[in-house]
Amino acid sequence: DAKTTQPTSMDCAEGRAANLPCNHSTISGNEYVYWYRQIHSQGPQYIIHGLKNNETNEMASLIITEDRKSSTLILPHATLRDTAVYYCIVRGNYGQNFVFGPGTRLSVLP
Amino acid sequence: GAGVSQSPRYKVAKRGQDVALRCDPISGHVSLFWYQQALGQGPEFLTYFQNEAQLDKSGLPSDRFFAERPEGSVSTLKIQRTQQEDSAVYLCASSLEAGAETQYFGPGTRLLVL
Repeated sequence: DAKTTQPTSMDCAEGRAANLPCNHSTISGNEYVYWYRQIHSQGPQYIIHGLKNNETNEMASLIITEDRKSSTLILPHATLRDTAVYYCIVRGNYGQNFVFGPGTRLSVLP
Repeated sequence: GAGVSQSPRYKVAKRGQDVALRCDPISGHVSLFWYQQALGQGPEFLTYFQNEAQLDKSGLPSDRFFAERPEGSVSTLKIQRTQQEDSAVYLCASSLEAGAETQYFGPGTRLLVL
């Protein structure tokens, strides 16, 4: 079973920040938080990952709470092309596969 | 650079036919994963290779599913005697090392069994 819980769906206005929450209360010390997204009819696309510190790249920011039991993915200026299913995954150890949950369906509205 | 590629992109098979799905990982990537994604659901793990060694096949749903990666690069997922419940998107992913590395996914092969 997936180790994360996410809202089923969210809407965001174009140009505004999209904040996608994820709960992972059973995360262990060596597990990373990964975010992927899947645009319709494409394979999952890597967005960002982190262990305990906040991370930022050209796509998004990842905020992880101090107790690591939850995190938030932030898309600072959402565009229509950001409409996708967003998956939050916790993973550790070598060679371990990802366990995907149902994700959050983000709709960016004009 | 080139990403993960998969072929064919679409496959229609009659029930009972055998199919072979190909994955070309990113050059030099050690780890290769296969996932199955049913309509409206997240991907589910099938099997994992480190170079040519199949280290985990716990997700393969039946003995009709077989995967290989004989030279540690290209991989083939074979499904024998396809059934309607095999209809899904089959995704391949690769990662550079065997550690807790980012996986890069291909576009998938959409299989429809009639």
